[in-house]
Amino acid sequence: SQTIHQWPATLVQPVGSPLSLECTVEGTSNPNLYWYRQAAGRGLQLLFYSVGIGQISSEVPQNLSASRPQDRQFILSSKKLLLSDSGFYLCAWGTEYSNQPQHFGDGTRLSIL
Amino acid sequence: AQSVAQPEDQVNVAEGNPLTVKCTYSVSGNPYLFWYVQYPNRGLQFLLKYITGDNLVKGSYGFEAEFNKSQTSFHLKKPSALVSDSALYFCAVRDMTTSGTYKYIFGTGTRLKVLA
Repeated sequence: SQTIHQWPATLVQPVGSPLSLECTVEGTSNPNLYWYRQAAGRGLQLLFYSVGIGQISSEVPQNLSASRPQDRQFILSSKKLLLSDSGFYLCAWGTEYSNQPQHFGDGTRLSIL
Repeated sequence: AQSVAQPEDQVNVAEGNPLTVKCTYSVSGNPYLFWYVQYPNRGLQFLLKYITGDNLVKGSYGFEAEFNKSQTSFHLKKPSALVSDSALYFCAVRDMTTSGTYKYIFGTGTRLKVLA
């Protein structure tokens, strides 16, 4: 069966420090991968998606970037964190088939001090 | 663009009573609709989906949802609520990115509180 892992679960970083969040998927090949941010335990904002290695699309302009160095690995990064980058970051995977749901990791809670 | 709306920030229901969490949608074409549940500090878990066919779809943990095309609604229901159903519920609709990949538009979420 397919599983998705995110780490770390929680992270506290000072303003201006770099960031690297990692997401990996097991049990499937060539998944579509997604990064979301959830603010204040509410709605999800799609940040990035990827349909293959090295293919990254951004949904919103921001201080963050994403990379996909391997088929089942998705990384969210920043060179210099802002206070506004605080939030709950969720990684998800999906298939190319329109009738299938996305599957989410357990998220990373990022606090910027 | 596709969108979903969840008109209630919070729904309170007594344990054992039926529950309904509302969702309305706006799409061009046929809607592909989903419900997810989120427990504190966890990711979203898929509950059920409507793609085509029977308007009443059954999902995990005893949940079901009714698709109503004329009212553009996809309400989540359960005949008898449990305290453990207390969580944040999201409705979502499938959309397409500019590059042709599927993405999902989520509602703002409804917090369900089941009272013992």
